[in-house]
Amino acid sequence: QSVLTQPPSVSGAPGQRVTISCTGSSSNIGAGYDVHWYQQLPGTAPKLLIYRNSNRPSGVPDRFSGSKSGTSASLAITGLQAEDEADYYCQSYDSSLRVFGTGTKVTVL
Amino acid sequence: EVQLVESGGGLVQPGRSLRLSCAASGFTFDDYAMHWVRQAPGKGLEWVSGISWNSGITAFADSVKGRFTMSRDNAKNSLYLQMNSLRAEDTALYYCAKDIGGTITADDAFDIWGQGTMVTVSS
Repeated sequence: QSVLTQPPSVSGAPGQRVTISCTGSSSNIGAGYDVHWYQQLPGTAPKLLIYRNSNRPSGVPDRFSGSKSGTSASLAITGLQAEDEADYYCQSYDSSLRVFGTGTKVTVL
Repeated sequence: EVQLVESGGGLVQPGRSLRLSCAASGFTFDDYAMHWVRQAPGKGLEWVSGISWNSGITAFADSVKGRFTMSRDNAKNSLYLQMNSLRAEDTALYYCAKDIGGTITADDAFDIWGQGTMVTVSS
């Protein structure tokens, strides 16, 4: 049972903007801990997409952006592309342990 | 090239043991904390365990505490996961992941991942 809840799926047409929420509590995101996001393309290992709430590693397109407020965080994908179809996971810290969100499948229509 | 390569997975009977290894290259291994993350077939990611840069601190998910141990050999740039008393629910792809920082007692991210090694627990 993950302590970080994400919607199971989101979808959008190419070019659209989609957002994925990551809802936590006062013991994780609400305690001020950073949120990170990962993209997992089919059959591959996860890849760091956003770190420390809103920072993009080198090579990640600026179509991807992250934010955090209160006990939740969000990942936005603008200008959705076919290659963005993947699973996305948030990750934070709770009770001295790293925790992942439940994961969201993004489908490009 | 920064790389993590896991090995040691396989088919094992319930109650038996297995030791996973992860070979690191392309970065200063002993500067960073390291972790194991698993993914059961068709399921999400689950953090399993972490170890600080100098092996001073280890931590485990409740689901494996008391059954799994984690170690590292900085001279060999290698990470290990000793899994004992294996259960069917331990069946998963096990990833080795590099921490952005040196300690596991922080809200840091995993910036490098291996391709994983599959562990199947079945009689």
